[in-house]
Amino acid sequence: DTAVSQTPKYLVTQMGNDKSIKCEQNLGHDTMYWYKQDSKKFLKIMFSYNNKELIINETVPNRFSPKSPDKAHLNLHINSLELGDSAVYFCASSYDRGRADTQYFGPGTRLTVL
Amino acid sequence: GQQVMQIPQYQHVQEGEDFTTYCNSSTTLSNIQWYKQRPGGHPVFLIQLVKSGEVKKQKRLTFQFGEAKKNSSLHITATQTTDVGTYFCAGRYGNKLVFGAGTILRVKS
Repeated sequence: DTAVSQTPKYLVTQMGNDKSIKCEQNLGHDTMYWYKQDSKKFLKIMFSYNNKELIINETVPNRFSPKSPDKAHLNLHINSLELGDSAVYFCASSYDRGRADTQYFGPGTRLTVL
Repeated sequence: GQQVMQIPQYQHVQEGEDFTTYCNSSTTLSNIQWYKQRPGGHPVFLIQLVKSGEVKKQKRLTFQFGEAKKNSSLHITATQTTDVGTYFCAGRYGNKLVFGAGTILRVKS
């Protein structure tokens, strides 16, 4: 009965590889997000989707491509991984991107690029 | 772009001491949220403040939103070891929620 789930929890890969992280929420929320948390704990939004439509796209390299097949899923594909991509990636969802937009975070995916 | 400045970056306290973290924005916020992230965990929503000058309490935690809606604080009275973690504020600018850098709290027993 997990609200926001992500897979995998850990991802260790070589530079140059392509990898994907999957996210699913069963809360019936309309909006989903990807955040990146670096080693200093700084939490930065990357993308936001509302009902499968991209609404926030921060300054993120175009090697990162989000995909939302339906409003319950938001996946993140990363091409040509670099050392600097190592971080914890959190998926989150919220009911509404307006005032009532409490973020419900997934458990995170720790990506390590060697 | 919009930024929410949060201080201090770290705070080590003795169990039983109080703790406060502060957030400041150069522009007016629509609202501000607070989250707690335990070590190894994910951020968990604590509270949202919307009104100018609003004060809310959750047991030993007191949250304030400034009159100008540009600053906020979280105060913990008599810290316990269960309070350890990183506390984030997140300010809303239009349709975007911007997180502060977080304050890492360590509690020595």
